[in-house]
Amino acid sequence: GEDVEQSLFLSVREGDSSVINCTYTDSSSTYLYWYKQEPGAGLQLLTYIFSNMDMKQDQRLTVLLNKKDKHLSLRIADTQTGDSAIYFCASGAGGYQKVTFGTGTKLQVIP
Amino acid sequence: DSGVTQTPKHLITATGQRVTLRCSPRSGDLSVYWYQQSLDQGLQFLIQYYNGEERAKGNILERFSAQQFPDLHSELNLSSLELGDSALYFCASRASGGPASSYNEQFFGPGTRLTVL
Repeated sequence: GEDVEQSLFLSVREGDSSVINCTYTDSSSTYLYWYKQEPGAGLQLLTYIFSNMDMKQDQRLTVLLNKKDKHLSLRIADTQTGDSAIYFCASGAGGYQKVTFGTGTKLQVIP
Repeated sequence: DSGVTQTPKHLITATGQRVTLRCSPRSGDLSVYWYQQSLDQGLQFLIQYYNGEERAKGNILERFSAQQFPDLHSELNLSSLELGDSALYFCASRASGGPASSYNEQFFGPGTRLTVL
């Protein structure tokens, strides 16, 4: 079945860049997503990338996709304490197909 | 606020008991997903409903069942509860129209935290 893997924990200093990595197995994935879960809350879509793109930038966020290696990364520039959260990578085929989520990477930002 | 509501927020019960978790999707959304989030297994997809019908099944135990009603709210029933069922249960709805539907954005509720003692 489909699988999405990511590291469990990342710690960075405030002001540095954070890079969260993810690998997925489903080659039919059309969309790759990054969701953010703040403490005590549900997940919220942060950004997504279509599979025919290799990069997407949105303010402090940069998503890189290596479709050949099935590798996705999320770079957060100038990381702030408010970025502390769990970040979930996910993949899906679009439409009403299910989305497969990774286990989440807990980002800790040290002031 | 995502527009998805879940009740109750917290639930504490004993092993062997049965509970029902409730979810109301965003207005107009036809599709509901249920997920289980635990410390050791991350976020696991349980089941998906679309307009009252089961659409996809994930790692849902036989002791668990769900349904979606004509008013589109959904319930997740957990029975013969075990200690290992303690987790955060999320419901999400999928946009049925507009740009968000094209890339299949899911809108998550705040979750129900289930503690089995």
